[in-house]
Amino acid sequence: GAVVSQHPSRVICKSGTSVKIECRSLDFQATTMFWYRQFPKQSLMLMATSNEGSKATYEQGVEKDKFLINHASLTLSTLTVTSAHPEDSSFYICSARGHRDYEQYFGPGTRLTVT
Amino acid sequence: GQNIDQPTEMTATEGAIVQINCTYQTSGFNGLFWYQQHAGEAPTFLSYNVLDGLEEKGRFSSFLSRSKGYSYLLLKELQMKDSASYLCAVENSNYQLIWGAGTKLIIKP
Repeated sequence: GAVVSQHPSRVICKSGTSVKIECRSLDFQATTMFWYRQFPKQSLMLMATSNEGSKATYEQGVEKDKFLINHASLTLSTLTVTSAHPEDSSFYICSARGHRDYEQYFGPGTRLTVT
Repeated sequence: GQNIDQPTEMTATEGAIVQINCTYQTSGFNGLFWYQQHAGEAPTFLSYNVLDGLEEKGRFSSFLSRSKGYSYLLLKELQMKDSASYLCAVENSNYQLIWGAGTKLIIKP
């Protein structure tokens, strides 16, 4: 149990376009979802925390107007990278946690390349 | 501030034992996690400690001392597939995970 999926797994887009990444909890209700970014050879960096039905809480230095997060249901959260630039190229990973869980369950990640 | 410290890289021999240390300073403590991450993949959960002491799970064990802000991950009978990065993370009182930079473990035959 506790499976999290992400779509797409890889995406290449042109500079200036927007990209949407979906994160789904397949077999449990995720009251909280987290979005991380990871640059090569670096640790995970938390971008934002989202609770179902409320606005996401962004970490310091993360532009909320650039990285739009929507947690519309207990099984789906989306991250939209707006007006993407090459420096946004990274590995984006979501994780989800149920109401009584201490563990965060990670999605497989999305490799974004902006050309 | 909040920070997690762990060694950047360690090397060990196949079949041996290795201990990866982690020290932390966070605003509150709700538990400590160890994750394994292979290159290009998402992290996978290894262990969770919330009380002091040793938690054993097969070849992997994790220890916690809350008074010292210290944990270690012990890997026994190392296999080549254990070559990966090992991430220490602490959940603070806001239920956020604070991540260490990870320890790259290199296993040599």
